[in-house]
Amino acid sequence: AQSVTQPDIHITVSEGASLELRCNYSYGATPYLFWYVQSPGQGLQLLLKYFSGDTLVQGIKGFEAEFKRSQSSFNLRKPSVHWSDAAEYFCAVGARGFQKLVFGTGTRLLVSP
Amino acid sequence: DADVTQTPRNRITKTGKRIMLECSQTKGHDRMYWYRQDPGLGLQLIYYSFDVKDINKGEISDGYSVSRQAQAKFSLSLESAIPNQTALYFCATSDSGTGADTGELFFGEGSRLTVL
Repeated sequence: AQSVTQPDIHITVSEGASLELRCNYSYGATPYLFWYVQSPGQGLQLLLKYFSGDTLVQGIKGFEAEFKRSQSSFNLRKPSVHWSDAAEYFCAVGARGFQKLVFGTGTRLLVSP
Repeated sequence: DADVTQTPRNRITKTGKRIMLECSQTKGHDRMYWYRQDPGLGLQLIYYSFDVKDINKGEISDGYSVSRQAQAKFSLSLESAIPNQTALYFCATSDSGTGADTGELFFGEGSRLTVL
């Protein structure tokens, strides 16, 4: 069965500092991987996705993520965090033809001045 | 207008009442989903529908039912609401069309339900 682990429930980062949010997945075949962001009172918005090819993928708002098959990881990164990045971030795994995404429990990002 | 619209956005009800949450989409997608979000638990799949005649249970379907009235409409019902169904509910869509079968979900803005 597919599963996703986001080990950090909360992370606090100073504005302007770099950010890395961790995501580990469990899936037997080649996964499709997603990062979604949920701002307060909003629905989930897709940040980026990985299906195949280049293992470093670029997303919106300056985010990127790297797929590492050997570590079963898909960590999200941003070089310089802005106060508007404060939100909850969800990693999800799926597969071609298997249209049920499985979500992690989320990481809440707090940005300090 | 939003591509995936949920109504109501907020609802407070009492234990034992019947509640319906509605979802409509203008994206032309064939697949629709209902998720529930609880703090610390992430998103859990309640029901999903791959077309109008196809309804499937998700991880936590007990106490819920759904209806796919048309390709664009998918409603979630709580026949007799209980307090532990207090949560944020999301409708989502995806497209299985050729070249688009990626599983990417497009979400509504959520319906916050409080059961007293």
